[in-house]
Amino acid sequence: DAGITQSPRHKVTETGTPVTLRCHQTENHRYMYWYRQDPGHGLRLIHYSYGVKDTDKGEVSDGYSVSRSKTEDFLLTLESATSSQTSVYFCAIKVQRPSTDTQYFGPGTRLTVL
Amino acid sequence: AQTVTQSQPEMSVQEAETVTLSCTYDTSESNYYLFWYKQPPSRQMILVIRQEAYKQQNATENRFSVNFQKAAKSFSLKISDSQLGDTAMYFCAFMKPLNNAGNMLTFGGGTRLMVKP
Repeated sequence: DAGITQSPRHKVTETGTPVTLRCHQTENHRYMYWYRQDPGHGLRLIHYSYGVKDTDKGEVSDGYSVSRSKTEDFLLTLESATSSQTSVYFCAIKVQRPSTDTQYFGPGTRLTVL
Repeated sequence: AQTVTQSQPEMSVQEAETVTLSCTYDTSESNYYLFWYKQPPSRQMILVIRQEAYKQQNATENRFSVNFQKAAKSFSLKISDSQLGDTAMYFCAFMKPLNNAGNMLTFGGGTRLMVKP
């Protein structure tokens, strides 16, 4: 358990509305990530953060923005949700080890855009 | 770009038997890491095992072991003495470094494993 929580755990929204998902960690890790999971695709990286106010794009970043104003929170925002953004969203943190950096995941948020 | 392929969408095994899940990957990187994650019906992503590409010795974690063939770009997972609690989706993942010392995981499409009593 890497001390990661995500909120909300489930959300249903309508096309065109803004949505913000929150990831919260309790262990002061520097790196945080947002992934989405769709059938047949495993997980794909949306955005990541390497420190407070430091973020960068992943492979599927279009339509998403992120913010990190404090170490423990990493927010993912869909400015205007679309049906193609219906997915399960996972937050992850990187734990740095002597031989291997490892990512540990939160419990996920299921988002449905109608 | 890296790609990770899991060629077995679904597999089943009898309880207490051994099963092997396949994974191949494609990369031009020389230094990287490989992982297997398990996702039970609860949807939680759970780390099963990891392998450093520079290590020749295959990683083991209790009943879980890997067969890492670097030249063939193959990374299979063997589960021994299968248990009902092993029923889950299993994802193979490749990790490469990003800018700013972050790391990106590239996942395969997953293999759904059913352990039968």
